[in-house]
Amino acid sequence: QSVLTQLPSVSAAPGQKVTISCSGSTSNIGNNDVSWYQQLPQTAPKLLIYDDNKRPSGIPDRFSGSKSGTSATLGITGLQTGDEADYYCGTWDSSLSALVFGGGTKLTVL
Amino acid sequence: EVQLVESGGGLVQAGRSLTLSCTTSGFTFGDYGMSWFRQAPGKGLDWVGFIKKRGHGGTIEYAASVKGRFTISRDDSTSIASLQMNSLKTDDTAVYYCSRLRFLGAGDYYIDVWGKGTTVTVSS
Repeated sequence: QSVLTQLPSVSAAPGQKVTISCSGSTSNIGNNDVSWYQQLPQTAPKLLIYDDNKRPSGIPDRFSGSKSGTSATLGITGLQTGDEADYYCGTWDSSLSALVFGGGTKLTVL
Repeated sequence: EVQLVESGGGLVQAGRSLTLSCTTSGFTFGDYGMSWFRQAPGKGLDWVGFIKKRGHGGTIEYAASVKGRFTISRDDSTSIASLQMNSLKTDDTAVYYCSRLRFLGAGDYYIDVWGKGTTVTVSS
């Protein structure tokens, strides 16, 4: 059971927008920075968003991050079939002194 | 090009030990923390632990599930991070990923580079 809660799956049509949510508590999301990772099938994870809403170099602006209180959200616009992947949120948990992650959300682009 | 290459995975019996290595290149190893993750078949990402850079005290933290059994270390002279795993359990079966840790201050951690992973299978 993951410390951060994500819906197991979401789906949307190509070209549409989707949001992926990540819920936590004051000991993690509420007071620490959130990052998001994309894991394409059979590959290693890849950083998409850090510090709640910053994109590393090379990540298109179709990907965005936001945070409010103890929840964070990853947004993806202009969906492409190549975006089909598992998406994970992560942050530091000050009470556990541990990096904690959500269970992952599988995105299907129909 | 920044590269992290894990090695040392394989099949091991429960109760035995195994050491994974992460050979890095393309960046100044001593300027970064390193972290290990694992992913059991069909499951999500599971943080194992990290070791900060010397400039951040070289602090080491572990997940509760591996504390006391696993040891993370680093050799800045060879740019290699290691994960020593003792008293292995069948539940430790997973792909193990080495990764580069970014620590920007209190509560500000993220992983900016990942290796391709190495598979560890623990048999009963």
